[in-house]
Amino acid sequence: DQQVKQNSPSLSVQEGRISILNCDYTNSMFDYFLWYKKYPAEGPTFLISISSIKDKNEDGRFTVFLNKSAKHLSLHIVPSQPGDSAVYFCAARADYGQNFVFGPGTRLSVLP
Amino acid sequence: DAGVIQSPRHEVTEMGQEVTLRCKPISGHNSLFWYRQTMMRGLELLIYFNNNVPIDDSGMPEDRFSAKMPNASFSTLKIQPSEPRDSAVYFCASSLREQGYEQYFGPGTRLTVT
Repeated sequence: DQQVKQNSPSLSVQEGRISILNCDYTNSMFDYFLWYKKYPAEGPTFLISISSIKDKNEDGRFTVFLNKSAKHLSLHIVPSQPGDSAVYFCAARADYGQNFVFGPGTRLSVLP
Repeated sequence: DAGVIQSPRHEVTEMGQEVTLRCKPISGHNSLFWYRQTMMRGLELLIYFNNNVPIDDSGMPEDRFSAKMPNASFSTLKIQPSEPRDSAVYFCASSLREQGYEQYFGPGTRLTVT
């Protein structure tokens, strides 16, 4: 059973608009969350993280929101740019370890 | 910095053959991770090492898979014998544990077993 879910396999957004990528998790012991971006034929690259003691973390155009009660986090990209077109993975960690569980990914397409 | 280096980038082999994937982590990193990405299961952790010592290998699918880290700058993932269901992209990642949990991924090895 998947502990980290990204229920939208794909998302298309117009350039300049907001992209919202969602992630749900089932394990209440998860305490740290990461978002990675992956271009074709490359490895995933770290984008932004959030600890369970926070509900928001912002880095430039990227903001991650965490709703612990709903076991839900989201990544907001504003404004979206064509270069943001990639697959985005949500990952979660439990108990201060280094073992991250990854979601299946969402493919974002930003249309010019 | 050269980043995480993986070789080969592509490997095509026949069922039953031995396959060895190689990884050179970022210099100074003390944690190394092997992942497998498939359409069905997404990105799954196979094994990770801290200071060259295997910490968690619960993700290794079966005894046909083995991983070693003989020193801080080199790791291998071996599949013997290989099967068509092993076809996937295999990623290696490294991190510096003391600097948080960001993992740096290599470009991956695309393995095809026919």
